[in-house]
Amino acid sequence: GNSVTQMEGPVTLSEEAFLTINCTYTATGYPSLFWYVQYPGEGLQLLLKATKADDKGSNKGFEATYRKETTSFHLEKGSVQVSDSAVYFCALSDRVAGANNLFFGTGTRLTVIP
Amino acid sequence: NAGVTQTPKFQVLKTGQSMTLQCAQDMNHEYMSWYRQDPGMGLRLIHYSVGAGITDQGEVPNGYNVSRSTTEDFPLRLLSAAPSQTSVYFCASSYAGGGPPYEQYFGPGTRLTVT
Repeated sequence: GNSVTQMEGPVTLSEEAFLTINCTYTATGYPSLFWYVQYPGEGLQLLLKATKADDKGSNKGFEATYRKETTSFHLEKGSVQVSDSAVYFCALSDRVAGANNLFFGTGTRLTVIP
Repeated sequence: NAGVTQTPKFQVLKTGQSMTLQCAQDMNHEYMSWYRQDPGMGLRLIHYSVGAGITDQGEVPNGYNVSRSTTEDFPLRLLSAAPSQTSVYFCASSYAGGGPPYEQYFGPGTRLTVT
């Protein structure tokens, strides 16, 4: 079946520190991979995505590379800001009969302190 | 565009009561879905739909019903609420069909407490 395992949190970093949030997956087919972000009191927003092996998704200074050989999609950012404080979810898409169903990891809460 | 809207934002129910969580989108998306978010468990898919008149079960469908009579609306019904249904519920929508996966747009969520 499909599943996503995500680094446990919470993660607390100082401003300008380097961020890595680990994500590995199990899938029956060839999934697409996503990182979503949830700011306090809001719904989820797509942060970045990758649709095939070796693709790199990037947005707002965040990056993640689809590694099929290690079934991983780790999220990185070189210098975090206080405004990056949020919960980050790794997810994969199971495209069944045109559906766009997502399987999520448990989420990692990031707090960035000035 | 309002995007994906959900009502109510908060709700408290007693065990055994019924209610409907509303979800609407104005982006003409074929695909709509409901997820529940529980601490330490991420989001789990309850039900989904790829178009009007078509619905299917997700990972955790028990205790919930859905219908899709229009493209815009996708209500989630709890027929007899249980404390285990205390959660935050998110509705999402996207285009459907073949090709690369389309971005899903999420509503702001409904926080439901069942006592």
